[in-house]
Amino acid sequence: NAGVMQNPRHLVRRRGQEARLRCSPMKGHSHVYWYRQLPEEGLKFMVYLQKENIIDESGMPKERFSAEFPKEGPSILRIQQVVRGDSAAYFCASSRDSLETEAFFGQGTRLTVV
Amino acid sequence: SQELEQSPQSLIVQEGKNLTINCTSSKTLYGLYWYKQKYGEGLIFLMMLQKGGEEKSHEKITAKLDEKKQQSSLHITASQPSHAGIYLCGAELLMDSSYKLIFGSGTRLLVRP
Repeated sequence: NAGVMQNPRHLVRRRGQEARLRCSPMKGHSHVYWYRQLPEEGLKFMVYLQKENIIDESGMPKERFSAEFPKEGPSILRIQQVVRGDSAAYFCASSRDSLETEAFFGQGTRLTVV
Repeated sequence: SQELEQSPQSLIVQEGKNLTINCTSSKTLYGLYWYKQKYGEGLIFLMMLQKGGEEKSHEKITAKLDEKKQQSSLHITASQPSHAGIYLCGAELLMDSSYKLIFGSGTRLLVRP
């Protein structure tokens, strides 16, 4: 049973480009969480999704950021018109159902905006 | 996260020494997770605590959740260089009418051989 898979592991984008980060949850997991980790900081909650639904996006910046978790395929975190301040490690976690079960993390995608 | 305070922020210990990392909240913790992050890598799940007074151990690492479920400690016995990394506590907190998994700012541990 593969763990949470995130790709790419490293992503370099120029200012103004779009970044698409993918997260494939563990088999049987229908809940996905995205977190951002800025250099020298902890993990900041961004968004919580279930299949085809956004449950809580209170941690998402109001503009340029969006997330989806379609019925088929991975969850996508999309950042439009990236700026240097978007450079960070983005982690996703998945769990089988509610937060009362273990949340497993992917290896993260390190986004660098140049 | 201000809702979850971790201390100390960084820690340097000599190999073989014991150490403790604390995680404190002003709110009730409905689930408390400890993760380890190797520098520049992903997070590794260590332990999850749910019940007040619960204690779990894995190899030389022991985690406890206090009776009031507002504080957890992670204790490493006879530390080794392989224990080095960033330790993050995460907790389920009731915020804005929904439960979220949020994290402390992490404790950076360095173990000197």
